[in-house]
Amino acid sequence: AQTVTQSQPEMSVQEAETVTLSCTYDTSESDYYLFWYKQPPSRQMILVIRQEAYKQQNATENRFSVNFQKAAKSFSLKISDSQLGDAAMYFCAYRSARSGNTPLVFGKGTRLSVIA
Amino acid sequence: EAGVAQSPRYKIIEKRQSVAFWCNPISGHATLYWYQQILGQGPKLLIQFQNNGVVDDSQLPKDRFSAERLKGVDSTLKIQPAKLEDSAVYLCASSLLISGPEAFFGQGTRLTVV
Repeated sequence: AQTVTQSQPEMSVQEAETVTLSCTYDTSESDYYLFWYKQPPSRQMILVIRQEAYKQQNATENRFSVNFQKAAKSFSLKISDSQLGDAAMYFCAYRSARSGNTPLVFGKGTRLSVIA
Repeated sequence: EAGVAQSPRYKIIEKRQSVAFWCNPISGHATLYWYQQILGQGPKLLIQFQNNGVVDDSQLPKDRFSAERLKGVDSTLKIQPAKLEDSAVYLCASSLLISGPEAFFGQGTRLTVV
């Protein structure tokens, strides 16, 4: 079974600075997807960014980018120019790309605080 | 496009009582998931539906939890009888593979069992 590990329970960053959240995963599959979701106090999971394992290029969405190291099974999230609204729980998630709609497997999350 | 709708937002019940949660996925999404998120942890899959059929319910405590998705649209998750350890946020999500691999989540129901 696939597992996702987030080793940083909490992180903090000064407003306008850059922060990197870590994620590692374990899988024997070669084709899969990786995601970062944000969960604010409202509880709704919001997709931040996704990465297809077959793509070598790291995904970027505005101030959010990832460092995907397939061989190392590492998938970190970099948030640039941090804003107060970035404060939330961040979850790394894995999804197999085998046939059918497989479920997401989540890590335990990292709580990000943004200091004004 | 309307998102995933869930109700109620909050529920407080006493142990051994029953409770039901409702979810309406994004229109056209064939796959529906129920996740349980205990405080301080990541969401854990309880059950996955494809249309109105169950794909994976291996982590559903079937002695007390049940779920259905009649007509392949909205779904209900029931707990009977509830235990203290069932206190959690219950998240519903839906996806449509041809639209992309991500799942879309509702706002969840926070259940407190006292």
